Amino acid sequence: NAGVTQTPKFQVLKTGQSMTLQCAQDMNHNSMYWYRQDPGMGLRLIYYSASEGTTDKGEVPNGYNVSRLNKREFSLRLESAAPSQTSVYFCASSDRGGLNEQFFGPGTRLTVL
Amino acid sequence: DQQVKQNSPSLSVQEGRISILNCDYTNSMFDYFLWYKKYPAEGPTFLISISSIKDKNEDGRFTVFLNKSAKHLSLHIVPSQPGDSAVYFCAASAGAQKLVFGQGTRLTINP
Repeated sequence: NAGVTQTPKFQVLKTGQSMTLQCAQDMNHNSMYWYRQDPGMGLRLIYYSASEGTTDKGEVPNGYNVSRLNKREFSLRLESAAPSQTSVYFCASSDRGGLNEQFFGPGTRLTVL
Repeated sequence: DQQVKQNSPSLSVQEGRISILNCDYTNSMFDYFLWYKKYPAEGPTFLISISSIKDKNEDGRFTVFLNKSAKHLSLHIVPSQPGDSAVYFCAASAGAQKLVFGQGTRLTINP
């Protein structure tokens, strides 16, 4: 039982490049989330998916797209990376949305040059 | 507009003493509050939560207090241990899917 897994762990991009961050959970959770963590800012929600087939914007969605591929997987795509997207990205999942604890993956550290 | 605020970026406490981490919120619609702990290079892990219908929840060495009139939340750790050194985030939700996080407080337990 791996919980929430994220790939890659580290990534360096040049401005304008694209990439997809992968996330998978094996807890049969309905809801999945993508956050970014920046110094002094806490965790800010980028996008979330309340259930398979649905996605909604969070606090900071600009520059990102998401796909809820199936119940297990939720990917985050940067179409044209910018230095402002340098951050640590966390994926999380939960069973009952905000009323229950969210389980986090180990994070992806992304640097955009 | 920061709806959840942790005004102390860092806190240093002696081993064995009480650690008190504070959190303030502005949205009166929040009805569920959580504390997460984060070690370097790891994802946050859930620590303890409290519903707005309660004013206290205890789990071992960890107790969370909620003062709704003051819109204030605190986490007490007694006694503090070296393994408690981490960044602590408070978070809140308003009955929907989303959590709103504070900026975090770095707790250092000194031997």
